[in-house]
Amino acid sequence: DSGVTQTPKHLITATGQRVTLRCSPRSGDLSVYWYQQSLDQGLQFLIQYYNGEERAKGNILERFSAQQFPDLHSELNLSSLELGDSALYFCASSALTEDIQYFGAGTRLSVL
Amino acid sequence: AQSVTQLDSQVPVFEEAPVELRCNYSSSVSVYLFWYVQYPNQGLQLLLKYLSGSTLVESINGFEAEFNKSQTSFHLRKPSVHISDTAEYFCAVSEVGSSYKLIFGSGTRLLVRP
Repeated sequence: DSGVTQTPKHLITATGQRVTLRCSPRSGDLSVYWYQQSLDQGLQFLIQYYNGEERAKGNILERFSAQQFPDLHSELNLSSLELGDSALYFCASSALTEDIQYFGAGTRLSVL
Repeated sequence: AQSVTQLDSQVPVFEEAPVELRCNYSSSVSVYLFWYVQYPNQGLQLLLKYLSGSTLVESINGFEAEFNKSQTSFHLRKPSVHISDTAEYFCAVSEVGSSYKLIFGSGTRLLVRP
């Protein structure tokens, strides 16, 4: 168990809908990263937050947004969903921005 | 920009045989290097890391990797594999001094046969 908790484990929704994925980092970790794993794109970095502030952005679509709350948990919001958004979404946390990243079990999103 | 290449998408091997999973990277600055393992229907687990110091790093379950700066490689090796090593292995890099986001390779599926 990595100590990073992601909910829900599975999410099935329809095109055009909006969903929220939640991540609770390891106790004491200030940095949260979001990654997307899909068959065609592989594992891609989406966005990073450090102590509540956005630190880095990767290949994140404008329809996607994220935030990190004062208690350090993070949410990834996906809107106007398309079939191609179906993927496994991972959250990772680290104590410092340069430290080892520990991954949650992921949320599997299926857009029908 | 950084990139990671894992040339082998799948490596079949018999149990107790040695294996090497190849990883090459490209970066204009210093990097940290990682191997993560993903078992079926599970998340990513850190297998081993190179941050600094000795270029040969080892994991607790018998894997090792060697950082070769001149060849920009970080190949993963194990002298004798077990059925339980069947999984997807991902090589990743992060640039020292940046956001430390991970750039992953496309993964290598290690298939250990009895």
